[in-house]
Amino acid sequence: NAGVTQTPKFQVLKTGQSMTLQCAQDMNHNSMYWYRQDPGMGLRLIYYSASEGTTDKGEVPNGYNVSRLNKREFSLRLESAAPSQTSVYFCASRAGYGANVLTFGAGSRLTVL
Amino acid sequence: SQKIEQNSEALNIQEGKTATLTCNYTNYSPAYLQWYRQDPGRGPVFLLLIRENEKEKRKERLKVTFDTTLKQSLFHITASQPADSATYLCALGSGSARQLTFGSGTQLTVLP
Repeated sequence: NAGVTQTPKFQVLKTGQSMTLQCAQDMNHNSMYWYRQDPGMGLRLIYYSASEGTTDKGEVPNGYNVSRLNKREFSLRLESAAPSQTSVYFCASRAGYGANVLTFGAGSRLTVL
Repeated sequence: SQKIEQNSEALNIQEGKTATLTCNYTNYSPAYLQWYRQDPGRGPVFLLLIRENEKEKRKERLKVTFDTTLKQSLFHITASQPADSATYLCALGSGSARQLTFGSGTQLTVLP
């Protein structure tokens, strides 16, 4: 029962570098989400995908892009990393029915120098 | 704009006591409220959901109340144990999951 798997777990980047955070779920969920978590703040939605082939912006999308590669995988890309993007990133998924309960991955800690 | 406040950043209690965590909100009329547990270095894990027309929900040693007049939810852990030590997040929602708004969490430490 892997649930939601995120890679990498830790990453250090220099300002201006690019990278992609990978997320895969094995629960056959329709919807997938990317959040960031910063100290003293709640989880904030970056992008989400309601179903395969669709993506949409959340609360804080600037500086990010996403790809819903297939039903299982949802990646988050930083094209030109900035220190303000230092954060812990969480991927989550949700079945297409029920009470909007999210299943989260373990997180990816990103530091931008 | 919507605002969620969780009572304090940290709460210490003695083992065996009841822990009570608070989630207050303003400028929002949620259809439901969720509580998640988050351990260090891990993602949040869903615990309980309560809908706007429900006053109370229980699951084992956990109890959640939801007062839409006071705009407040209380999360209780009875007979607390050191293993209950974690950060607890509340999340308010209406409609789809993309509309979930999370609080910043309360870090609970249960002292043996």
